[in-house]
Amino acid sequence: AQKVTQAQTEISVVEKEDVTLDCVYETRDTTYYLFWYKQPPSGELVFLIRRNSFDEQNEISGRYSWNFQKSTSSFNFTITASQVVDSAVYFCALSTPWAGNNRKLIWGLGTSLAVNP
Amino acid sequence: DAGITQSPRHKVTETGTPVTLRCHQTENHRYMYWYRQDPGHGLRLIHYSYGVKDTDKGEVSDGYSVSRSKTEDFLLTLESATSSQTSVYFCAISSNPNANEKLFFGSGTQLSVL
Repeated sequence: AQKVTQAQTEISVVEKEDVTLDCVYETRDTTYYLFWYKQPPSGELVFLIRRNSFDEQNEISGRYSWNFQKSTSSFNFTITASQVVDSAVYFCALSTPWAGNNRKLIWGLGTSLAVNP
Repeated sequence: DAGITQSPRHKVTETGTPVTLRCHQTENHRYMYWYRQDPGHGLRLIHYSYGVKDTDKGEVSDGYSVSRSKTEDFLLTLESATSSQTSVYFCAISSNPNANEKLFFGSGTQLSVL
């Protein structure tokens, strides 16, 4: 079975704190892709990052960083020095190759992050 | 920002009435998707399209139909709306169906079925 678990339903931090959003996935496929999307209060989901199963190199983009560990099946997302604009719901998703025209994207339930001034 | 427009943004309707939601894109992407978002369920795929007049079912397609007569438009129809279809509906597009391809989303339609 394929599954994505975001155990943290809601997180509340004070501005400038660092915060880590956890994502644990399950799949038997050896080739797969992991994604993070952000859903701000305005509603639309915005792509943040993707990582393939063969690339465990961590990635940093400004205040955002991602830690991919196959040994623990985790793809965690850290925001350093959080800001109020980071307040959003963050989704982790898993995608595996699927024959034909479709592809199956398995979504976590999301973590709602509130950054308070 | 990807050019995806969903209409209407909000709609209130009564049980048993048909409802059509529209997704319009200006990116000329071949692949389009309809998702619904519900608390406790995350995002679930309703239907998708891989080209003009080519559509297929997702995981929660019962009670929904879709049509795609032009590359830029993907319509979602609730044939006879029920209260269980109260949800936020998102349209998404991608340039290819590959597992590594990211999706671009519209702003969503909040539908309430009374």
